Amino acid sequence: DAKTTQPPSMDCAEGRAANLPCNHSTISGNEYVYWYRQIHSQGPQYIIHGLKNNETNEMASLIITEDRKSSTLILPHATLRDTAVYYCIVRAQTGANNLFFGTGTRLTVIP
Amino acid sequence: GAVVSQHPSRVICKSGTSVKIECRSLDFQATTMFWYRQFPKQSLMLMATSNEGSKATYEQGVEKDKFLINHASLTLSTLTVTSAHPEDSSFYICSARRGPGTEAFFGQGTRLTVV
Repeated sequence: DAKTTQPPSMDCAEGRAANLPCNHSTISGNEYVYWYRQIHSQGPQYIIHGLKNNETNEMASLIITEDRKSSTLILPHATLRDTAVYYCIVRAQTGANNLFFGTGTRLTVIP
Repeated sequence: GAVVSQHPSRVICKSGTSVKIECRSLDFQATTMFWYRQFPKQSLMLMATSNEGSKATYEQGVEKDKFLINHASLTLSTLTVTSAHPEDSSFYICSARRGPGTEAFFGQGTRLTVV
């Protein structure tokens, strides 16, 4: 699975949009981009995933660049409960399908 | 999303004893379950992958005789930490997926403290 690079930490004001970048320049054609988050002392929570089109669900939006070498997770109106470590993972849909977690981005939402 | 439940959420055991952690998929059948370990301030590290009815595949450096994994049904996998030592104290997390190519859902984790 391709490696990802994320900033170690970010701050965001409550109520504003949080934009979390992820670089995955070695992504292969059959690899999807997944985002999970982990609130302190809990298991990771699935947020969203996509292949090449932008995706949106009730939690977030995922913007993937045309060359698929990077993506941005957008939380449109961050709340204090969105404070967590956000993991960007690229994974093929075939094969072992293990999720390998990098160091992620620690997002702190500030009141 | 689908629900994965882990039990217990935290456990304290004496050094040398064994501890069993259960992972259940509550509203779907999981053909594959994964076990992770997370030390403080570190990311999740995959320990092993288990497919229902077959032996688990362990990651390099993980002792299969120490961390026994059983995936006897499509809704239950167990991880037994045998002869636990203080260095085994960690946050253990399972995840489960319906089948290849589907997203994985995670349990709430089990904090193991070995004293």
